Amino acid sequence: QKEVEQDPGPLSVPEGAIVSLNCTYSNSAFQYFMWYRQYSRKGPELLMYTYSSGNKEDGRFTAQVDKSSKYISLFIRDSQPSDSATYLCAMKNNNAGNMLTFGGGTRLMVKP
Amino acid sequence: GAVVSQHPSRVICKSGTSVKIECRSLDFQATTMFWYRQFPKQSLMLMATSNEGSKATYEQGVEKDKFLINHASLTLSTLTVTSAHPEDSSFYICSARAPQGPGYGYTFGSGTRLTVV
Repeated sequence: QKEVEQDPGPLSVPEGAIVSLNCTYSNSAFQYFMWYRQYSRKGPELLMYTYSSGNKEDGRFTAQVDKSSKYISLFIRDSQPSDSATYLCAMKNNNAGNMLTFGGGTRLMVKP
Repeated sequence: GAVVSQHPSRVICKSGTSVKIECRSLDFQATTMFWYRQFPKQSLMLMATSNEGSKATYEQGVEKDKFLINHASLTLSTLTVTSAHPEDSSFYICSARAPQGPGYGYTFGSGTRLTVV
């Protein structure tokens, strides 16, 4: 079993829809949670980061963490075609050096 | 914000030759850099952690003699794929930690697409 599970998709939604992307994890030592967006043939770029349970909002994006369920989500409101990309969740165990553990990524397609 | 520059963005080489990929932190010093490999429609797989002034730490299953990593300065790490073969064709991405960056400062390069023919 992978430490971080993420549905690969693809997830296809119409423009303007609310998108929900999710990851589950098994290692309770993960304390820091990040979401990256990766366009095709580009490196990942950081979207959101959080270390506490609850919600964190930034513009159209909301990151949600539920440590008791070992479940994190990224919500995208008013989705745009430019949001079409692969979204990767990443986690860090502060007791295990500098390494990030990534989910497999979910490919999102927002259709105009 | 912090920028990591990776070069080249794309390279095609003949089987048996070696290819060097550079990763530079442009506006910060990076004592640690990371090298990832990504296959199509798959996530990033950590290959090795590059430490300035010391030997790289390789993940299990990654051949250190095949993938040579050199971190000679605080702003430059290089990955050399030696005696490349078609199965080495992949997307290689480097990452560095910017000390004051958000999200623990992990910043990624734009990746290098290697095709071995």
